[in-house]
Amino acid sequence: NAGVTQTPKFRILKIGQSMTLQCTQDMNHNYMYWYRQDPGMGLKLIYYSVGAGITDKGEVPNGYNVSRSTTEDFPLRLELAAPSQTSVYFCASASGRSSYNEQFFGPGTRLTVL
Amino acid sequence: GIQVEQSPPDLILQEGANSTLRCNFSDSVNNLQWFHQNPWGQLINLFYIPSGTKQNGRLSATTVATERYSLLYISSSQTTDSGVYFCAVEKGTGGFKTIFGAGTRLFVKA
Repeated sequence: NAGVTQTPKFRILKIGQSMTLQCTQDMNHNYMYWYRQDPGMGLKLIYYSVGAGITDKGEVPNGYNVSRSTTEDFPLRLELAAPSQTSVYFCASASGRSSYNEQFFGPGTRLTVL
Repeated sequence: GIQVEQSPPDLILQEGANSTLRCNFSDSVNNLQWFHQNPWGQLINLFYIPSGTKQNGRLSATTVATERYSLLYISSSQTTDSGVYFCAVEKGTGGFKTIFGAGTRLFVKA
């Protein structure tokens, strides 16, 4: 099992450009999450999904979009990148069982917007 | 929304010392996890502990859900324990919104 994989590892964008951060999990987990972590801070939830076709906003959704067409994949789209979106982005997945919903994290994508 | 507070914010230990990290949360939660973020940024699962006590080697954790706090104990600390320790809670039905604390930054001196 590869667990949760994210691509790319690093990316530099210019202001106004767009990009998609990829996230894939091979654990057949129902729940998937996107977080951002600013320097020296904790993680903040951007969007999450409880299954294919179902997504919902977290704490900081503005400037981002997501889709969940398959159980395995949960891409995060940045439209019109801004310097405030410079951050490390983490994807996570969890089984979605109410009795045990431990989250497992990918290695992160470090994004810089100049 | 739910507030998660971790203390202390920073901690410096001599190798071999013990420590206790605390996580307070302002409302009842469905789930609680402790993570270690190593100096390379990787998030490592330590405990999934919405209630009760668990132990894993030199680390143990206790969550008292009725009093809305969780404790992480590190015994005989090692330099490899350095990094940031996060508490994260989930609350909701039909989908869980996760809130992370700001973390405790630990440095263990050799």
